[in-house]
Amino acid sequence: DGGITQSPKYLFRKEGQNVTLSCEQNLNHDAMYWYRQDPGQGLRLIYYSQIVNDFQKGDIAEGYSVSREKKESFPLTVTSAQKNPTAFYLCASSTKRDSYEQYFGPGTRLTVT
Amino acid sequence: RKEVEQDPGPFNVPEGATVAFNCTYSNSASQSFFWYRQDCRKEPKLLMSVYSSGNEDGRFTAQLNRASQYISLLIRDSKLSDSATYLCVARTGTGGFKTIFGAGTRLFVKA
Repeated sequence: DGGITQSPKYLFRKEGQNVTLSCEQNLNHDAMYWYRQDPGQGLRLIYYSQIVNDFQKGDIAEGYSVSREKKESFPLTVTSAQKNPTAFYLCASSTKRDSYEQYFGPGTRLTVT
Repeated sequence: RKEVEQDPGPFNVPEGATVAFNCTYSNSASQSFFWYRQDCRKEPKLLMSVYSSGNEDGRFTAQLNRASQYISLLIRDSKLSDSATYLCVARTGTGGFKTIFGAGTRLFVKA
């Protein structure tokens, strides 16, 4: 079955530690995205990539980094510079044509204490 | 002003009721529109795209009014399983990175 996977589902870290969230898709989509969702708020775009080896900052990129070495994979690193990292992180992918409908992975819930 | 605004609700309706959600968007250049459904602590799932001519999928009907810059979702014959948060989404320009998600409207359908 085609889809997007994210791991882990839950992640707990101490303040000051970097952490990497995994996102893999087998939908053959060119574009991939990382969003953050906080309670009562809409999704906010962290980073996106429209093609392998290229990525761009979204609205709230500070304290995050990404890589796109393979079409299928778009990992997100939450660095110690991110001031409020506790959130629900969602990875999505889309084609690069038509209406760019986005499909989401199951998310990673990160808690930093 | 938020780019995509929705009434946060919650909407509490009995089974079998018809419920309507409205959403407004501020960017007149928005080109594509969607409704997503998000269950508690889960990822958003695409419910339907919204076309200018309006479109229907079973009990769900979506409408777009470009002149007034609003989108609507109508759910007929509500089921308990329809309880979720419904996200209104608008995309502007070329590329999925210009996709703006509303904060969502919560729906509770009760027996």
